[in-house]
Amino acid sequence: SQQGEEDPQALSIQEGENATMNCSYKTSINNLQWYRQNSGRGLVHLILIRSNEREKHSGRLRVTLDTSKKSSSLLITASRAADTASYFCATDRARAQKLVFGQGTRLTINP
Amino acid sequence: EPEVTQTPSHQVTQMGQEVILRCVPISNHLYFYWYRQILGQKVEFLVSFYNNEISEKSEIFDDQFSVERPDGSNFTLKIRSTKLEDSAMYFCASSAGELFFGEGSRLTVL
Repeated sequence: SQQGEEDPQALSIQEGENATMNCSYKTSINNLQWYRQNSGRGLVHLILIRSNEREKHSGRLRVTLDTSKKSSSLLITASRAADTASYFCATDRARAQKLVFGQGTRLTINP
Repeated sequence: EPEVTQTPSHQVTQMGQEVILRCVPISNHLYFYWYRQILGQKVEFLVSFYNNEISEKSEIFDDQFSVERPDGSNFTLKIRSTKLEDSAMYFCASSAGELFFGEGSRLTVL
């Protein structure tokens, strides 16, 4: 299987705190992407990091990739109640190939 | 902003009935996908489609499933004889590099 695990499975923090989610995978990858899913809704693309990149920022999001450890982390800084959602990492092994998703982290931001 | 649209948003059907889920991918995209998410579980790949043929399919995508691009814009997923375990959210996606997902079609099989 291409995909590993995400941890934690669930994370509950106070508004304003930072949230860190981790993702591991098993095989070599081309890209790793993070998606958000609000309950019962579609998948919203957050950020893509290529296998030759180590860190990427987008607004309050910071993604790191360690290909030697086959792991990635997503950091959301200064969390807001609207960040409450499930977050999934997904990997692909080549351009336009299928994405393999992790189990996701369910993030709850308490006001 | 261009988006992938899916219809219906929710369909309830009886076991054994045929279901067709429809998707309109982003117009200049060439790669199309269907994914499935059973409630509370992870998103699973079903099938990818390129150049009017299936390029890859998963073990889930058995003979009960088929995909079609009938008119150059729509991309459909057909389930011939639905089973209870087909109840899930079905997501269409299209790509010219980065994947864009639709909002999903919730299928409930009774």
